[in-house]
Amino acid sequence: SQQGEEDPQALSIQEGENATMNCSYKTSINNLQWYRQNSGRGLVHLILIRSNEREKHSGRLRVTLDTSKKSSSLLITASRAADTASYFCAVQNTGGFKTIFGAGTRLFVKA
Amino acid sequence: DVKVTQSSRYLVKRTGEKVFLECVQDMDHENMFWYRQDPGLGLRLIYFSYDVKMKEKGDIPEGYSVSREKKERFSLILESASTNQTSMYLCASSLSDTDTQYFGPGTRLTVL
Repeated sequence: SQQGEEDPQALSIQEGENATMNCSYKTSINNLQWYRQNSGRGLVHLILIRSNEREKHSGRLRVTLDTSKKSSSLLITASRAADTASYFCAVQNTGGFKTIFGAGTRLFVKA
Repeated sequence: DVKVTQSSRYLVKRTGEKVFLECVQDMDHENMFWYRQDPGLGLRLIYFSYDVKMKEKGDIPEGYSVSREKKERFSLILESASTNQTSMYLCASSLSDTDTQYFGPGTRLTVL
């Protein structure tokens, strides 16, 4: 079945609040990536975290990876209306070439 | 900055037509990918290429073919378009197997 399953499917918050999105996967991975997609556009890479890393930061973004639970989370702090988008996790399995994307979490940030 | 461009943002074709979607990247990336994106299904890999003239089937290759004659260009071909191929098509490229993928803006194809 599909790797990189995000949870929740949709999330609605007020500007200034934090947003947390989760991703679960099933097999061993080389890396896990988070992407953002604004409506009707292509995906933009946010963060790549390798299997031997536990946490990475980029600006207001924090990604954690727990390989024992096969899960990752993306935290967006102090959200802004401009953060409204769909967020996808993507996993690259060990020994594989393909990167497999989940169905995404739709985030709505209300001004 | 990496730039991945796709030939059309919107395309409307009729059932049975042959459709070409073009993708060009300007960063000398080895790998190129074609995905389709449908609501609730995320991105599904159609084909990918790891070198010129090399191609590999993804998860849903049926009804599609690809061509990579030059390193910077990867074409997706719908031999005989069908209504179930109405979708958003996304092209991506990456430098190496374990690297970030850079996406084009997408082509929204409607087959009538």
